[in-house]
Amino acid sequence: DARVTQTPRDKVTEMGQEVTMRCQPILGHNTVFWYRQTMMQGLELLAYFRNRAPLDDSGMPKDRFSAEMPDATLATLKIQPSEPRDSAVYFCASGTNGNTEAFFGQGTRLTVV
Amino acid sequence: AQKITQTQPGMFVQEKEAVTLDCTYDTSDPSYGLFWYKQPSSGEMIFLIYQGSYDQQNATEGRYSLNFQKARKSANLVISASQLGDSAMYFCAMRGYVVQGAQKLVFGQGTRLTINP
Repeated sequence: DARVTQTPRDKVTEMGQEVTMRCQPILGHNTVFWYRQTMMQGLELLAYFRNRAPLDDSGMPKDRFSAEMPDATLATLKIQPSEPRDSAVYFCASGTNGNTEAFFGQGTRLTVV
Repeated sequence: AQKITQTQPGMFVQEKEAVTLDCTYDTSDPSYGLFWYKQPSSGEMIFLIYQGSYDQQNATEGRYSLNFQKARKSANLVISASQLGDSAMYFCAMRGYVVQGAQKLVFGQGTRLTINP
C-alpha cells in the first residue's frame, strides 16, 4: 500500500528551537510538494521539487525556512529559529510529472510555544 | 500566475440531495489539470477527481462528477445523493503542464460542506 509518510505526526517545541520535518515520498514519484495549512491562510505552497531539484520555493520565508531532498526517498523541511506564527499543519505530497494527482501524507502538526 | 477561487466558504445540504461546489480558475498555461480533494475532520487530504484541460468529456468518479466549462474557466464539483460522510472541507486545485513556473499544484481556499440528516 504505497503512501507518503511524514514524521513526526505532532511536534511541540519552544520558540527559537530548530524544527525538522521529514517526508518519504511514494517510490517512483519524482515531484514533491510542501504545504502549510492554517485556518487563516488555507493551504499555502511552500516549496516544490522535481527530480530532487527545487523548482519553486517562492512561498517559503527564506530567512528561517529551508527545504531539501538529500535523496529520492527523503524530503526535509527545516525551520530555524521557530516562531509561534509557524504553528500549523505541514503537508508533504508527492506525484509524477504527468496528469496525475498528488498524494498527501498525514501531515505534521507543529505547535510553537 | 495561477489562481483558484472558491466563493462558497460553507454549504449546508440535506442528506440525499445533490450538491454543487463552485470553483473558478485562472491560468496562462495552455495545458493544465484540475483536481478536487476532500479533507474530513481527521485532517487527511483525499483525492477525489481529476479533469484535464483537453479532455473532451467531464470526469466522473462514482458519485462525484466535475462540471468543466473551459470557456468560463470553471470546474465545479457535483456530488450526487449526498451522504453524512460527505461532510468535510473540499478543495479545488490546479496544476499547469507547459509554462515554466506554472507546474506547481495550487489550491483554493476551500468550501466546508455539511450534510444534514
